[in-house]
Amino acid sequence: GAVVSQHPSRVICKSGTSVKIECRSLDFQATTMFWYRQFPKQSLMLMATSNEGSKATYEQGVEKDKFLINHASLTLSTLTVTSAHPEDSSFYICSAPFRANTEAFFGQGTRLTVV
Amino acid sequence: GIQVEQSPPDLILQEGANSTLRCNFSDSVNNLQWFHQNPWGQLINLFYIPSGTKQNGRLSATTVATERYSLLYISSSQTTDSGVYFCAVERGGGSEKLVFGKGTKLTVNP
Repeated sequence: GAVVSQHPSRVICKSGTSVKIECRSLDFQATTMFWYRQFPKQSLMLMATSNEGSKATYEQGVEKDKFLINHASLTLSTLTVTSAHPEDSSFYICSAPFRANTEAFFGQGTRLTVV
Repeated sequence: GIQVEQSPPDLILQEGANSTLRCNFSDSVNNLQWFHQNPWGQLINLFYIPSGTKQNGRLSATTVATERYSLLYISSSQTTDSGVYFCAVERGGGSEKLVFGKGTKLTVNP
């Protein structure tokens, strides 16, 4: 199947700092990527849609100024958690649809811990 | 929005046993996927199955779209099958945005 790579897999940062997470489609181009968030022992919730060449769209309740998304190219989307706080600690995972009406592929996920 | 319910929430099996996981959804869907989340968090694609039946080794899945449910069958379970199984459906309108159920946590004991 198609490969989506996410980096880093784990990061610990201090409160108030910013953290950047990268999501790459390795063997296909993705004009759209999705960012999900998962709290411990909970399900995945869509945060935002990353669109190549235009602004990201955010789900209701997600602060766009805190979670900056940049779709820099057809194979790269980045999520920057700005001024991180302990409540931002979570598992962040990206996905990219390989083709319309087919399965979505997910990155390995990033476990963020803010101390 | 569309609702996705999975059952049971937790399942404990002995190695070698069979199991059935269920996913109910509240509206018609064009996209339904089953995933296995391993202990490191990675989502492994199991099936893309908006309708019909598919099989892959010891796993098979059936989606009855008209009745709005999908079943995942695991036969001869192994300890490596442990983890959380998620069902996800597309939110609608060709958006490719997925709505996930709360998952079934499967523990297979040796």
